[in-house]
Amino acid sequence: QVQLQESGPGLVKPSETLSLTCNVSGDSMSGYYWSWIRQSPGKGLEWIAYISSSGSTDHNASLKGRVTLSLDTSKKQFSLKLRSVTAADTAVYYCAREDPSGYVTPWGRGILVTVSS
Amino acid sequence: QMTQSPSSLSASIGDRVTVTCRSSHNISNYVNWYQQTPGKAPKLLIYATSTLQTGVPSRFSGSGSGTDFTLSISSLQPEDFATYYCQQTYSTPQTFGRGTKVEIK
Repeated sequence: QVQLQESGPGLVKPSETLSLTCNVSGDSMSGYYWSWIRQSPGKGLEWIAYISSSGSTDHNASLKGRVTLSLDTSKKQFSLKLRSVTAADTAVYYCAREDPSGYVTPWGRGILVTVSS
Repeated sequence: QMTQSPSSLSASIGDRVTVTCRSSHNISNYVNWYQQTPGKAPKLLIYATSTLQTGVPSRFSGSGSGTDFTLSISSLQPEDFATYYCQQTYSTPQTFGRGTKVEIK
């Protein structure tokens, strides 16, 4: 049974880059999309981006190109970088596995990232 | 894009509960439903409008097509008090409803 765990700093300064990593255990990464989703009181659940097991990516255009994803299947990890953060990027960030049909399961436990000086 | 209603509801154990999501355009059957309890990540309940995820109790069901979708709980149990979200995956970006919080009456 696949499990995911986010890691990274819980506090990021405005204008800096938010960097998170997701470790995948229990199953191969092949055949799925590996996603980042965030949740904040103001915006609710917001899909950020995904990277496929073959390396193709897609991201939410609302983030205006601030997103970079990477994948390391040998380490069973994928990562998110979000540049030029503001207070509006404060949220719980989840990594998750997305089936090609679009549904998301399972999710990591989530990590709260606060943007503040 | 996904308008979910109601935003909250109060119900008793054993009640039938219905949550609705409406899309602004036809999204076929590309709707999924999630349950979230406080402090936890969302959990997939139903995908492709009506397919129950493995391990999810049969009191949960989903229906709809096109623009109108429904999540139903046939007989509310104590562990069902949570927030429920719909998700559309017909077009990118995938989007979620704002959630329905099911509370104890």
